[in-house]
Order: sequence, then C-alpha cells, then structure tokens
Amino acid sequence: EVQLLESGGGLVQPGGSLRLSCAASGFTFSTTVMGWVRQAPGKGLEWVSSITGSGGSFYYADSVKGRFTISRDNSKNTLYLQMNSLRAEDTALYYCTKEDGFEIWGQGTMVTVSS
Amino acid sequence: DIQMTQSPSSLSASVGDRVIITCRASQDVRGDLGWFQQKPGKAPERLIYAVSTLQSGVPSRFSGSGSGTEFTLTISSLQPEDFATYYCLQHNRYPDTFGQGTKLEI
Repeated sequence: EVQLLESGGGLVQPGGSLRLSCAASGFTFSTTVMGWVRQAPGKGLEWVSSITGSGGSFYYADSVKGRFTISRDNSKNTLYLQMNSLRAEDTALYYCTKEDGFEIWGQGTMVTVSS
Repeated sequence: DIQMTQSPSSLSASVGDRVIITCRASQDVRGDLGWFQQKPGKAPERLIYAVSTLQSGVPSRFSGSGSGTEFTLTISSLQPEDFATYYCLQHNRYPDTFGQGTKLEI
C-alpha cells in the first residue's frame, strides 16, 4: 500500500525553526518527485516546494524561498522540509505529496507559529 | 507564474443537481490539470487527472474537460457525499498553482 506519513509539526515562536519529515512506503521513492503543500486554517491549498527523485533539482514558492529547504534521503525513503525564520503566516497544515499527478497525500502535520 | 482562477467560490445545490465548476489558467497548462475534493478534516483526494482521466474508484458522475486555459469539472447528479470543497491544480510549470477552491453546499 502506498503511504506517506508526516511528522515534526508543533508550536514554535516567530523566528524559530522546525523540521518536517515524511516517511514514504509502497512505491519506488528514489525515482519520484516529491513535494509539500500547505493549508492555513480555513484557507485553500498552497504549493510550497518540490524536489526531484535524485534530489538534484528543487523548487520553492516565493513565500518560502530563502527560509525553507527541501531535501530527501533516498536510503531512508524520507522527505524533509527544514523551515527557518518562521512567521505567523506559515501557520498551516503541511501535507507531503507524491507529485506524479498528486495522487497520494499524507494526513498532514500541523505547524503553529505563535508567541 | 501561472494563475488559476476558479469559479464559483461557493455554490448552493441540491441532491440530484448537475454542477459545473470552472478553472481558467493565465497560460496554457497543456494537459497538466487535475481536480481534487477535500472534506473537512481530511487530506485532498484526486478526482481527475490529465484534464479528463477519472481516478480509479471515483464515481462516473464526475467528469473533467477542457484544454489550454479553460477547464471544467462536472458532477452530473449530486449525491449527499459530494458536498465538499473542490480545487483545480496546474502542475505544468513551477510554481504549481491551485485554484482558490469551490465550496459546494446544500
């Protein structure tokens, strides 16, 4: 069964950092483009970042560029999102996605940025 | 960046109604257009990919059409479980962009 399981969310103060993880199973992780999509409370979906299977290319939304870093460990079938300089507007549920058409989504991990 | 303009933002309908949701892209997205359904407290689920291909397990009352910059999601006969929020997504060119969403209400 194809599965994505996010972890690492929590409450952090403005300016703080957090690292999200996404454990993947049931497919060939190392050849799959993976990404993160977020949803602020009561709002729509916003693409955040993507990374190619090899990890050699990555892309970011302007809203997170320079603050967030996407990476992956293909030996562990795990995707990461390092989030630095967090702002209140980064508060959201963060979903991990299998980006070959966005067929598979995780259940999400909540990030709350508040003092 | 490619902007996705989705309409309407909300829609009141009844069981049995035919519903059409539209997405307009600011540039040609080729066939890289999908539709997603999201229910409260749940992750989005893909309904349609590549403009018109029905996701396995999705009822045939859902259909997608369009090309270039104009796309539609049609629900032929609304069922109680269809009341949810719907999003389009283009993934032809980064940044991937979602429509603003359509909340389908009774």
